[in-house]
Amino acid sequence: GAGVSQSPSNKVTEKGKDVELRCDPISGHTALYWYRQRLGQGLEFLIYFQGNSAPDKSGLPSDRFSAERTGESVSTLTIQRTQQEDSAVYLCASSSRGEWNEQFFGPGTRLTVL
Amino acid sequence: AQSVSQHNHHVILSEAASLELGCNYSYGGTVNLFWYVQYPGQHLQLLLKYFSGDPLVKGIKGFEAEFIKSKFSFNLRKPSVQWSDTAEYFCALPSGNTGKLIFGQGTTLQVKP
Repeated sequence: GAGVSQSPSNKVTEKGKDVELRCDPISGHTALYWYRQRLGQGLEFLIYFQGNSAPDKSGLPSDRFSAERTGESVSTLTIQRTQQEDSAVYLCASSSRGEWNEQFFGPGTRLTVL
Repeated sequence: AQSVSQHNHHVILSEAASLELGCNYSYGGTVNLFWYVQYPGQHLQLLLKYFSGDPLVKGIKGFEAEFIKSKFSFNLRKPSVQWSDTAEYFCALPSGNTGKLIFGQGTTLQVKP
């Protein structure tokens, strides 16, 4: 079956521009996570969605970062006024209900801010 | 605060050598632990997981890991590595009631043919 997909795969932008990253989770997966991996560092949690519950935004590094998810489908991560330190690979993962279930990861979006 | 540390950042082995990658966690409650692997050009995928019960967990491709509570460790092992095991390996701890993962910094394994 189809896995988690993300678009675009690569994004190059200029400092100060806004970017929008998209994630399509596995159908039927109620939980969706965003992570980022900066060069030479581990993956950092950004935000979590579970069904219609309020999202856990505790990992968002600043108010320039926001994310939305409509129901149990597509999610978009928006970064406003991008900075060079936002350059990273942004990964999306989804899982079925249950916090201990395996998370299935997408291929990521590599964001480069010039 | 919960944390995960991986001691080995870059490991180089010859084929057929034995592998052990270290993972230590910091958390006082009930622990669940994962090892994920990312092969070159591929997505992160689950290698194995520990929830409870037998502390020796077997995963895909001949990998296993042992949960040692007294040492706060969950080291990954394979008795004989292959060139195809070249990848980046991440230890992860699900946190809170959301299951968000706290990752170690990762270990890059390079297996020489």
